[in-house]
Amino acid sequence: DIQMTQSPSSLSASVGDRVTITCQASQDISNYLNWYQQKPGKAPKFLIDGASNLETGVPSRFSGSGSGTDFTFTISSLQPEDVATYYCQQYANLPLTFGGGTNVEIK
Amino acid sequence: QVQLQESGPRLVKPSETLSLTCAVSGYSISSGYYWGWIRQPPGKGLEWIGNIYHGGSSYYNPSLKSRVTISVDTSKNQLSLKLTSVTAADTAVYYCARLPAAPGFFGGSYFDYWGQGILVTVSS
Repeated sequence: DIQMTQSPSSLSASVGDRVTITCQASQDISNYLNWYQQKPGKAPKFLIDGASNLETGVPSRFSGSGSGTDFTFTISSLQPEDVATYYCQQYANLPLTFGGGTNVEIK
Repeated sequence: QVQLQESGPRLVKPSETLSLTCAVSGYSISSGYYWGWIRQPPGKGLEWIGNIYHGGSSYYNPSLKSRVTISVDTSKNQLSLKLTSVTAADTAVYYCARLPAAPGFFGGSYFDYWGQGILVTVSS
């Protein structure tokens, strides 16, 4: 199985701050990497596929980059509504696997 | 608008079988896409259970494969999950979701539409 390691596991930042989350795969997954946002008590919401392709309707302050084993998810200007847990997910190989999540809070 | 809705017993006894249904509206299951199940234990992360393609091919997480069956009923436009011999470790919110196919890959790519989830507790 491909292990997905996210860091940090949690972070606290101020409104307007730039927030960066990393996701590392245990082997090369090219760009077969997706990102999700999960708010408390809700189902995950799909944000980004192919490491950097923003889903239609997702605010442009969200972005993703990376290839191979190292990936980055960025919120360019943190907003109160961005409080959530963010997950990466690979689909290069079965089983599909998720990172452990990064909990983003407002300072 | 594609919508998914999970249903089933919210309390299952240890050693019994967990059975859930996911009703899909706004899209015909038989028209394409993969359809899958994901679970999330309370306070923990996401675990992929398995996917099924509209044509019937199914793919399961090896960690659960011996206990899991996913099927589709195209006449009712729904998919189902059966998990046998459950223990307390199977207590989780169970989600159904849709996945586009990815050329050259089996099992789908990203989960674009999700159900709201259903909390299933395994307890006597």
